[in-house]
Order: sequence, then structure tokens, then C-alpha cells
Amino acid sequence: KAGVTQTPRYLIKTRGQQVTLSCSPISGHRSVSWYQQTPGQGLQFLFEYFSETQRNKGNFPGRFSGRQFSNSRSEMNVSTLELGDSALYLCASRQNVLKNTEAFFGQGTRLTVV
Amino acid sequence: GENVEQHPSTLSVQEGDSAVIKCTYSDSASNYFPWYKQELGKRPQLIIDIRSNVGEKKDQRIAVTLNKTAKHFSLHITETQPEDSAVYFCAANNNAGNMLTFGGGTRLMVKP
Repeated sequence: KAGVTQTPRYLIKTRGQQVTLSCSPISGHRSVSWYQQTPGQGLQFLFEYFSETQRNKGNFPGRFSGRQFSNSRSEMNVSTLELGDSALYLCASRQNVLKNTEAFFGQGTRLTVV
Repeated sequence: GENVEQHPSTLSVQEGDSAVIKCTYSDSASNYFPWYKQELGKRPQLIIDIRSNVGEKKDQRIAVTLNKTAKHFSLHITETQPEDSAVYFCAANNNAGNMLTFGGGTRLMVKP
């Protein structure tokens, strides 16, 4: 079974631009969550999608948005990029939302804003 | 919402010693508590988890304990080895949906 796949792995953008990151969950997993990881800040929750619906949202500005498609693949978008958005963006997929199950992480997209 | 605090932020031990990492959570409805290990440049991976109907769980050199009354849980690693060096994250599952809230992480360094 293929793991969680994130593309691209690395990205360099300029302030003010926008960026779209992609996450393909493990086959059969319908829940996808996104996290921002910066040195010293741990894993900050961005949002979680299940069956194309956003069910939870973290404390991030509206410049951060996401969506999920019918095949459970998810994208997140960051508009008007700021230097502080430079981080590793991780997505995680889970199989069963009714029971607590393991979250499997992708390798992340490292975004650098210059 | 849920708030998870993790201590210490860094921990240095000698090979063969034990290491203990502690976490507290705020939402008494949380009922699932996983621990993830993240090696340098790699993705976080689950090493052990515990559910609220269990007080302790062990897997070889790793154990997790949960005190629901005090709302804290701990990771215990015995006979540490250099390959245990990594950042460890605790998390709590908020029953409002499927949201995992993570602690700030502990950088464990095992000195040979």
C-alpha cells in the first residue's frame, strides 16, 4: 500500500505570491489533516477534511485555505505569502473517523518564502 | 479547544539510561493519546498510543502511562540507544471531529 504522498517536496516562492500544495492520502483513508511545522513551534494544526468537508480549522489567517476532492486527495492554498509562512507543511491521513486510528504523515512540502 | 503541553523541550541522557517525557491536556473528553517520533529530515511516525480506557501500555522498551484524573500522560523509554535520538511529540484527540492536537515536542539526545 502506498503511503501518504505530498507534492511538491520543495518550493521557493516570493512574498506576495500564492502557492498550492497537494496531498494524496493512503488508499481508503477519507480524513486528511494539514499541519505547519516550524523550528521551535511543533506541529500547528491547520485544518482537517473528511468527505470533502472541512470539519476542523486551526488558528490561522484566512490566507490559508484548503479543499478535498471526491477521491480524498487534498490541496491547501496559501495566498499573499509572507516570510513567516516558510515552514514544513505536513499532511496526515486517517482511516476511520468514528474510532481513533493512527494518523499517517506524508514527507511534507518544505516551503521557503523569499 | 484542546491544549497539550509537553515537557521537557530537550532531554539529554546517557546510552542505557531511561528517558521520560510528560504531557498534559486540557479537554477531559479527549480519549486517544498517540506518541510520534520524528527523526531528522523524516516524517513523524507513530511509536505507541493509548486509549482512555487503559492506564498503561508497553511495547518492548517503550511504555506510555495515562492518568485521566490528572489529565496527563507520559512516555517512558528504557535502555536508551543512540538511535532513539529524535524529536518526540505527544498528541491528544479532540472528540470534536477528528482533530489531533500536538504538544510542542521534546528533542531527545542519547549520548553513546
